[in-house]
Order: sequence, then structure tokens, then C-alpha cells
Amino acid sequence: SQQGEEDPQALSIQEGENATMNCSYKTSINNLQWYRQNSGRGLVHLILIRSNEREKHSGRLRVTLDTSKKSSSLLITASRAADTASYFCATGSPSFMFSGGYNKLIFGAGTRLAVHP
Amino acid sequence: EAQVTQNPRYLITVTGKKLTVTCSQNMNHEYMSWYRQDPGLGLRQIYYSMNVEVTDKGDVPEGYKVSRKEKRNFPLILESPSPNQTSLYFCASSVGGHNSYEQYFGPGTRLTVT
Repeated sequence: SQQGEEDPQALSIQEGENATMNCSYKTSINNLQWYRQNSGRGLVHLILIRSNEREKHSGRLRVTLDTSKKSSSLLITASRAADTASYFCATGSPSFMFSGGYNKLIFGAGTRLAVHP
Repeated sequence: EAQVTQNPRYLITVTGKKLTVTCSQNMNHEYMSWYRQDPGLGLRQIYYSMNVEVTDKGDVPEGYKVSRKEKRNFPLILESPSPNQTSLYFCASSVGGHNSYEQYFGPGTRLTVT
């Protein structure tokens, strides 16, 4: 079951510009994570934001979370060509949402970001 | 170096020929998981394991088997592969099974079933 949906599906910008990607989800969450994937390679964890947090920073990354709108955004400032990748949000829901007590991490389909020199 | 390794990285096989994709992690993680990635569908979980000898189905388990006899290894077995199992497969591990832990991913195995 797909929980998070990223928007836009693809984004093309010039180096130095900011890139903003959005993630919307349907059910209650206890945290939301963002991952990056270079073409055909494994995902790399970028940042985790908990449901009681509104904003988090890590280097050039800024993540916001609005639980009332069930949405999150990932902002990459001063983008570089090396930021070219796909970016995925992944939501973790409270244990009562799923049987067996295991809290799943559900990934969206991703945003493909291309940063041109 | 802390890592998750998968083998093989690329595999082309024929329908019905049993295959195993290996996954190993050196971080002493309790939790391991297999995903498949298909265009437009994101990552979908196949199976997961909370610890040795503890495994359970994810969202798309049909046609797959797993085992967890050692903490570091979590092989994915396709007993009778079919073309609809052509996909990019990722193994992942984390410290624990709670979804607030970051997951560490392997480099992926691209499988083609003809």
C-alpha cells in the first residue's frame, strides 16, 4: 500500500537554485523520513522528522512537516549537479495501524531531480 | 566499513529456474528487509525479519521465500521465478524494527526473468 506521494514526479533546475519536493500522505504517522537514490543504486537516508516536530535542518536540507495537512516538504538550497537523484519520502505509522505490532515504513514513488550545471 | 551487501548485482534467468539473492550486513542489526522497486510504484516490501528465525510477510510476498538463520544474513529465494518478478531488489537493515530507525540499503540486484 502506497502511503506517501511525492510531488512533482520530476523536477529540473539549474545549479545554485533551490529545489523543493513535497510529500503527501493519508494516515496518521509517527515519523517521516526522506531518502535519496542515485540512479539504480541503493537508497541513502537523509533526514527523519517526528510527528511532533515542524521543521528540521541538515546542512543544505530543510524538511518541514505539517500533520494537519498530512504533508511534508524537502528543500535543497543552493543545489549542485551532484544533487541529481531521486528523492523518496517514507512514512512510519503508529503500531495500531497495522496488525502484528510491526510499524511499517512505507515509501512513495519518488521525485526525480535533475540539476543542470 | 558499515554496509549491506547483495549478490549478485545483476541476474538474467529463465522462468522456473530457482535462484537465491544473498544479503549480508556487518552492523549487527536486528531488523532486515527485502524490497522490490518498480517504475512508478516506489519500494514495496516483500518480507522482513525482526531477528534470527523471526520472519514475516510484507506487502508483496507471493512467489518469494526468505530465511534468517544467522543475524547477518537474509537471503531472498525465488523458487520458480516468473517474468512479473523482473525488478530491482533491495535489501535493507536497521538497528530495530520500529519505523523510527533509519534503514541502510544494499546496492541493489537487478533481476530479469525471461
